[in-house]
This record gives sequence, C-alpha cells and structure tokens, in this order.
Amino acid sequence: QKEVEQDPGPLSVPEGAIVSLNCTYSNSAFQYFMWYRQYSRKGPELLMYTYSSGNKEDGRFTAQVDKSSKYISLFIRDSQPSDSATYLCVGGRDDKIIFGKGTRLHILP
Amino acid sequence: DSGVTQTPKHLITATGQRVTLRCSPRSGDLSVYWYQQSLDQGLQFLIQYYNGEERAKGNILERFSAQQFPDLHSELNLSSLELGDSALYFCASTSGRSTDTQYFGPGTRLTVL
Repeated sequence: QKEVEQDPGPLSVPEGAIVSLNCTYSNSAFQYFMWYRQYSRKGPELLMYTYSSGNKEDGRFTAQVDKSSKYISLFIRDSQPSDSATYLCVGGRDDKIIFGKGTRLHILP
Repeated sequence: DSGVTQTPKHLITATGQRVTLRCSPRSGDLSVYWYQQSLDQGLQFLIQYYNGEERAKGNILERFSAQQFPDLHSELNLSSLELGDSALYFCASTSGRSTDTQYFGPGTRLTVL
C-alpha cells in the first residue's frame, strides 16, 4: 500500500463550484500534512499545511485532516479557471516526506 | 517566484553520459532537497542536505550523488545516464532541518536520448 494515495483524476467542475480533493494515508507517524498546487511544467507551490486534525482555512481554500480515518481533504470555494492544476497531497514527519501522485483538476469556464 | 533557482532549465544528453544540476536555495534557507518527477512515479524524494551535511535519503540511485557547498548551493550529479532517467528534477529549500513547508524551484527538465 502506498503511503499517500490520491485519485489521479482528471476532475472537471464548472467555474464557481466547490471543489473537493481527497487523499488517504497509511503512515500513522506522519506529523504534518500539506497540499501543493502544480501548474504544468512548473515547480509545486505550497498551498496549505497543518499539523493537527481539524480544519484550516486560507481564503478560498480549506484543508481538513481526520487522523482517526487517515483522510485528508482540500476544499476550494468559488473555483476559478486559474485553479486548473494538479494538486499534490503530502504527509510527512521530521525526516520523511511522501507526496501523493496528484489529482488533475480542470475548472470549466 | 519561490526564491529557489535552478540551472539549467533544460538538458538534453545521451545515454551513458554524466550531468550536473545546480540549485540555489532561498536566502537564509539551510536545507536543500532534491526530487525526481516522472509521469508514472510522481514526485520522488531523492536526498536532503542541511547546512552542508546529508540529512535524509530517499529513493536515490547509486549512480546519483549530491552535495551542498559552504555557500549553501547544491549540485545533483547524475552519471551513467539511462533513458529512464529522463524526468523533471526539482530542488526545494527550507529554513531548518524539518521537511515541512518546502519551497520549490522551477525545475530542470532532463532528456536522455
């Protein structure tokens, strides 16, 4: 079992919709979780990071972690065409970091 | 712009050759990380250096090596190149030893023919 798993998509949603991106992990030792956004042929860009279960909000983005079920989500409100990218889910601890393979998201104008 | 720079942007070479990729971390960051990204494997962590010393190792092949210099820039050396080494290679940096909140460079696209 891979340590961090994501549905590769693509996920297509209309502009303005709420997007839900999901991820599961298997390593109970993970201390933090992150979401990166990656545009085609560009470096990943850090969107959100959290160390605890619960919700963390930043503008249109909300990250949700449920450690009991090892489930991580990223919600995007009022989605825009510029949100079209690949979203990478990450779990890690002090000396280890594991990236999911990413979910491709298309926001349709 | 993350503040992490990588050179060159593109590299085309032949099998069996050796190449060097260069990375400069964000100002003040002491840790440098190297990653390989291919279509089928996703983003794979290769190695981390902290203040000149190797700190963590991931899925780095023996044909690959890296180092971090006193000015904190880092180089990734890839030797005896194979077709399967064609990928995007990213460098990232953080201020401390921990692997969280990494800032990525724009990457080097390596094509092995």
